[in-house]
Amino acid sequence: DQQVKQNSPSLSVQEGRISILNCDYTNSMFDYFLWYKKYPAEGPTFLISISSIKDKNEDGRFTVFLNKSAKHLSLHIVPSQPGDSAVYFCAASATAYGAGSYQLTFGKGTKLSVIP
Amino acid sequence: ETGVTQTPRHLVMGMTNKKSLKCEQHLGHNAMYWYKQSAKKPLELMFVYSLEERVENNSVPSRFSPECPNSSHLFLHLHTLQPEDSALYLCASSQLDGGYTFGSGTRLTVV
Repeated sequence: DQQVKQNSPSLSVQEGRISILNCDYTNSMFDYFLWYKKYPAEGPTFLISISSIKDKNEDGRFTVFLNKSAKHLSLHIVPSQPGDSAVYFCAASATAYGAGSYQLTFGKGTKLSVIP
Repeated sequence: ETGVTQTPRHLVMGMTNKKSLKCEQHLGHNAMYWYKQSAKKPLELMFVYSLEERVENNSVPSRFSPECPNSSHLFLHLHTLQPEDSALYLCASSQLDGGYTFGSGTRLTVV
């Protein structure tokens, strides 16, 4: 059973417009959420995160919104740029355990294409 | 370079071969991970090592054997793999106050 779901495998957006990537989760124990960006032939790179005590976190053009009651989070990219074209993974974690180790559960990813 | 280096980048092996994937990090992180990324599937956690001790093994077949000789190095030993094991294998490291840092991955093809 998939605990983190990204239901849109792909998304196309015009340059300059807003990109909205969605993610749903089922495990109520998740309390930390992250977005990763992945280019072909590279590993995922960390983009932005949010703790469950917040409902919004902003970093430049990227904003993540968390709706705990709906178990839903979204990533907004404004304005979208061609260089944002990549696969975006949503990930979730329960409270960290051990000396710095914690398990991330990933969605399948959404491929974003920003059209010039 | 992200700080996590994986070698080789590409590997083609027969089902009877034995090979190893290597991962190295010099970020001072305490934990290291192996993930498998297959097409159209979520990233699957395979193994977690924290302070060189294995803390998680998500029912991975025994044909995959991890080794963590020290906090900077992680290996994944492969033997008698199946074609369905063809995937991108990602190594990552982390510490308590940050997200993961991933390597670029090894693209494995089993023929």
